[in-house]
Formats: sequence, structure tokens, C-alpha cells
Amino acid sequence: EVQLVESGGGLVQPGGSLTLSCAASGFTFSNYEMNWVRQAPGKGLEWVSYISSSGTTKSYTDSVKGRFTVSRDNVKNSLYLHMDSLRAEDTAIYYCARSHSYWGQGTMVTVSS
Amino acid sequence: DVVLTQSPVSLPVTLGQPASISCRSNQSLVHSDGNTYLNWFQQRPGQSPRRLMYKVSNRDPRVPDRFSGSGSGTDFTLKISRVEAEDVGIYYCMQGTHWPPLTFGGGTKVEIK
Repeated sequence: EVQLVESGGGLVQPGGSLTLSCAASGFTFSNYEMNWVRQAPGKGLEWVSYISSSGTTKSYTDSVKGRFTVSRDNVKNSLYLHMDSLRAEDTAIYYCARSHSYWGQGTMVTVSS
Repeated sequence: DVVLTQSPVSLPVTLGQPASISCRSNQSLVHSDGNTYLNWFQQRPGQSPRRLMYKVSNRDPRVPDRFSGSGSGTDFTLKISRVEAEDVGIYYCMQGTHWPPLTFGGGTKVEIK
């Protein structure tokens, strides 16, 4: 069974940093592209970042370019999102997704003083 | 960026009756490879999104056959032939043809009358 479990969310002050993790199981992680998608409270879905199966190709939505970094460890079957210079508007549930098909349960990030 | 416009925003339905959700794109979603990368997601209350349909009309595993997708070019539709109580939630369309960025529609909330 495909499982994606996010962790690392929490409360952080504006300008702070946080690293999210996504532990994958039930499939050959190294074969799949991965995405991060977020959902602000009461709002719709917003794509954040993409990483290819090998990790060599990465892409970001404009609002996080230069602040967020996606990475993966295909030995540890894990996906990461390192977030710097966090802003109030980054407050959201962050989901990792295998391509677009399977999604984790999400981890909440709150940026507030 | 591709803009996806969903209608209606809210859809009250009677149990056992059909429901239809529209998703319109501001540009054709036909990829140069001939495929149309238009997906539909369901998000039940308090849950993470679940993909229902991919490439317009392909149903994901374990998705009931009362769900169907259709459309081409810029106009797409998700239909539920007979709404059941478990279908309550927010439905999103998403395009993966012209990316980055992947983009989502604003969502349609399905509720029981």
C-alpha cells in the first residue's frame, strides 16, 4: 500500500526556517516524480514544488523561488522541503504527492509572531 | 499561467440525483504529445485530496463508476451519476499540460440538500 507521511510542520516566526519531510513506503520511491502542494486555511490547492525521480530537475512556484528548496534521498525513501524566509502567507497545510496520484495527510505550517 | 475556472462554486444536490461540475481553461490543454493532462480531485471534509480521474476520463483505482470525466480542449466536466452521502466534499480540477506551474481550479463544494 502506498503511504506518504509528512512531518516537520509547526509554528515559526516570520523570517524563520523550517524543513518538512515526507517518508514514502509501499512503492519504489526512486522511480517516481514528487510534488509539494499546499492549502492555506479555508482555501484551495496551490502547487509549490516538483522534483524529478533522480532529483536532478526541480521546479518551484514563483512565490517561493529563492526561499524554498526541494530535495530527496532515494536511499532513505524521503522527500524534503527546506523553507527559509518564511512569511505569513506561507501558512498552510503542506502535502507531499507522488506525481499527482497519491497524497499524504499533510503537515501544518503556521508562520506567526 | 493556465487559469482553470470551475463552476458552480457550490452545488447542493439531492441524494440519488446526478451532479455536474464544469472546469474551463483559458487555453487548450492538449499537450504536444497528444495527451490532455486534466485531472479531477475529491477532498472530503478533514481529509487530504484524492485523485479521481486523470487525463480527462480515466478513472483511478477504487473510484466508483458513478464518477465520469469528459471534455476536450478547454472545456471539461466531472459528472456523478447518482450522488451518495460519501460524495460530499470539494472537487478540484488540475492541469498538468502547461507547467510549471501546475494549476488548480478554485474548487466546487458538493453538499446534500
